Amino acid sequence: AQTVTQSQPEMSVQEAETVTLSCTYDTSESNYYLFWYKQPPSRQMILVIRQEAYKQQNATENRFSVNFQKAAKSFSLKISDSQLGDTAMYFCAFMTPYSGGGADGLTFGKGTHLIIQP
Amino acid sequence: GAVVSQHPSWVICKSGTSVKIECRSLDFQATTMFWYRQFPKQSLMLMATSNEGSKATYEQGVEKDKFLINHASLTLSTLTVTSAHPEDSSFYICSAPPGTSGRNIQYFGAGTRLSVL
Repeated sequence: AQTVTQSQPEMSVQEAETVTLSCTYDTSESNYYLFWYKQPPSRQMILVIRQEAYKQQNATENRFSVNFQKAAKSFSLKISDSQLGDTAMYFCAFMTPYSGGGADGLTFGKGTHLIIQP
Repeated sequence: GAVVSQHPSWVICKSGTSVKIECRSLDFQATTMFWYRQFPKQSLMLMATSNEGSKATYEQGVEKDKFLINHASLTLSTLTVTSAHPEDSSFYICSAPPGTSGRNIQYFGAGTRLSVL
């Protein structure tokens, strides 16, 4: 079984600052996917970024980037030029790849509540 | 991204009644859908995997007779909470991987808030 750990229950930064959210995971799988999802007060889960474990290059999406360290089983999210709209819960999630037997559900960390202060 | 619709967004029911929640993939076919439960200020926990045309697979500790799942078509999965009790009050969210080329990503419905009185 996989586990995902987010050690920062809450973080607060000023608008325009850069913030890094940490995530570690444990798995015996060699191929898998890692995700960061954002859950604003509306509670709609929004995909922020995805990383495939077999790709060494860190994924980036505009102001969002990850630092994926496969050997250390670490997957941190960096948000640059933070904006008020970034205020939300952020969940790190793990998934094994689809196989002939079907898709697997996501394993989530406990989440980090990120607050962007004006 | 792909769109997943979930209905209703909020339901209040009396203890002992049953409640059905629908999850639809609007612009793609989904042979598999997932149901999660989220308690206040907590993370999402996978409850079950819904498979089109076959029985659902439940996670350990989830009562299959309490949470009935039916995946009747390639675009619709339903979760029925039977004989609901106050402890079943929670936020229920579905997700689906889109199509055959995008299986390794999941899109979420907006969730259903269930309040059992």
